[in-house]
Amino acid sequence: GAVVSQHPSWVICKSGTSVKIECRSLDFQATTMFWYRQFPKQSLMLMATSNEGSKATYEQGVEKDKFLINHASLTLSTLTVTSAHPEDSSFYICSVFGADGTGELFFGEGSRLTVL
Amino acid sequence: AQSVTQLGSHVSVSEGALVLLRCNYSSSVPPYLFWYVQYPNQGLQLLLKYTSAATLVKGINGFEAEFKKSETSFHLTKPSAHMSDAAEYFCAVSRRNGNKLVFGAGTILRVKS
Repeated sequence: GAVVSQHPSWVICKSGTSVKIECRSLDFQATTMFWYRQFPKQSLMLMATSNEGSKATYEQGVEKDKFLINHASLTLSTLTVTSAHPEDSSFYICSVFGADGTGELFFGEGSRLTVL
Repeated sequence: AQSVTQLGSHVSVSEGALVLLRCNYSSSVPPYLFWYVQYPNQGLQLLLKYTSAATLVKGINGFEAEFKKSETSFHLTKPSAHMSDAAEYFCAVSRRNGNKLVFGAGTILRVKS
């Protein structure tokens, strides 16, 4: 499998500020990482696919200028929520594919963002 | 395109009773199928997966699921529920050689003492 770690686990920020969330693949070199968002009592929605060394691929309806993704190395992807607003409050989870090619995802612990 | 339907957003069972969480999928090609569990404020943990070997798949914590192609189903079962099984469960499908996992809406399992 793969071990994925996110930081911070919890973050509270004021409206209008930017917040950065880190996702690290601890034991696996991940050329691709996935960012999901989960609103309360809802399922996971794929936001974007983070590609090492190139631009992220965003899902339809996700604002690329608001959710900046950087994947500068094979073990680190960052998601920056810019000019955050209360409606951006959510649980953000990153994940990587395992190496067996079955499409199994390994998830980070998630990051709870609350925008006041 | 692939999709997953989980029947029942909430399921409540008594401790020791059978757990049955339903999942139906839609896929134009043979799928890979997964069940994940999520505890509050945590990421998702894989319970089991179907990848075209045996149709009855055994996972962790006593859970198992059976792939039924004729019914396009992949229901999750456990013979005897424990209090610690209370969590949210997600069924997911991916296309073989694909690069995207599609999740169902989730089912919250409540276990009564």
